[in-house]
Amino acid sequence: EVQLVQSGAEVKKSGESLKISCQGSGFSFTRTWIAWVRQMPGKGLEWMGIIYPGDSDTTYSPSFQGQVTISADKSTSTVYLHWNSLKASDTAMYYCATRSCSDLNCFDPWGQGTLVTVSS
Amino acid sequence: QSVLTQPPSVSGAPGQRVTISCAGTASNIGAAYDVHWYQQLPGAAPKLLISGYNNRPSGVPDRFSASRSGTSASLAITGLQAEDEADYYCQSYDSSLSGWVFGGGTALTVL
Repeated sequence: EVQLVQSGAEVKKSGESLKISCQGSGFSFTRTWIAWVRQMPGKGLEWMGIIYPGDSDTTYSPSFQGQVTISADKSTSTVYLHWNSLKASDTAMYYCATRSCSDLNCFDPWGQGTLVTVSS
Repeated sequence: QSVLTQPPSVSGAPGQRVTISCAGTASNIGAAYDVHWYQQLPGAAPKLLISGYNNRPSGVPDRFSASRSGTSASLAITGLQAEDEADYYCQSYDSSLSGWVFGGGTALTVL
């Protein structure tokens, strides 16, 4: 079974750094693109970026370029989302998902989500 | 402001049929990129509901169907059930943005 398991909820202060994780199993990790998607409280889904763990090829949405860093560790089949300096506006639920479907342009399955709360 | 435009909410009585529209542009839906639909139940992660031309993952009933025309797409739900109450999102790829885009989401209320 293809599965993505994300790290637990985080409560941080503005200016702190944070790295959340997404561990994959049941599929070829190095040959599967994995994306991060943000959902702010009460809002919709926003694609943040995507990584190919095989060679760490990464593409960011223009809205998130320079704001976060996506990385992968092949040895543990884990993808990370990292902030150097959190802002209150980073408060959101973050999901990872594998790039799938016949056109490779849908996301399935999704992780359970990691809630990040940043206080000012 | 989402790249794909959906109505914020729709509602229907049990057993009725509802549709959710998704309006795009020439660089996404109009460029023939597949449109995918997700269901997000309250407090849960999104789940792929329909991919491309009515491809339903195992377990998704055929009460859910998708269609598209020009720069728009729509999701139809027939025989509405209380368990269908959720947020629904359309999603595609955008060649101008070189990335993936979502609709703003539509909250379905079963009256």
